[in-house]
Amino acid sequence: AQSVTQLDSQVPVFEEAPVELRCNYSSSVSVYLFWYVQYPNQGLQLLLKYLSGSTLVESINGFEAEFNKSQTSFHLRKPSVHISDTAEYFCAVSSGPSNTGKLIFGQGTTLQVKP
Amino acid sequence: EAQVTQNPRYLITVTGKKLTVTCSQNMNHEYMSWYRQDPGLGLRQIYYSMNVEVTDKGDVPEGYKVSRKEKRNFPLILESPSPNQTSLYFCASSLSSHQPQHFGDGTRLSIL
Repeated sequence: AQSVTQLDSQVPVFEEAPVELRCNYSSSVSVYLFWYVQYPNQGLQLLLKYLSGSTLVESINGFEAEFNKSQTSFHLRKPSVHISDTAEYFCAVSSGPSNTGKLIFGQGTTLQVKP
Repeated sequence: EAQVTQNPRYLITVTGKKLTVTCSQNMNHEYMSWYRQDPGLGLRQIYYSMNVEVTDKGDVPEGYKVSRKEKRNFPLILESPSPNQTSLYFCASSLSSHQPQHFGDGTRLSIL
């Protein structure tokens, strides 16, 4: 069965410091990978996605993630965080053949940016 | 504005009293889905729909029903709610399966 593991439940970091949120998945077939962000009292918003092509994907607000097939990872990084990046981040995977589109989510990582 | 709209946003009710959470999307998406979010568990899929009149169970379907009579609407029905269904619920839609999903703002249900 597919699973997604986010290795850190909480990541405290100071403003302007770099951050990495780790995500590992298990799947024996081709996968589509996503990072979603959830701000307080809001729904999830797509941050970035890997569907095919370049293994390094970027978002418009400075986040990037790299699909590493050999390590089955899709870690999220940002070189310099802002207070406004404080939120909960979810890694999710959707895999190929069954074509149900079901997203399997990790447990979430709370990013807390301190001034 | 492209959006997924859920109603109500908050509801406190009692065990056994039937309730419906509505979900509507204005993007002509084929794929729609319901998730519940619980602390430490992330989001888990309840039901999904690939198109009108096509629905199937997700990982945690017990105690829930859905219908997809129109493309834009995908209501979630709790026929006899119980306290273990107290949770934060999200509806989502996408152009097709494996495309990024757009989420509603959530419905917080409390079953007493």
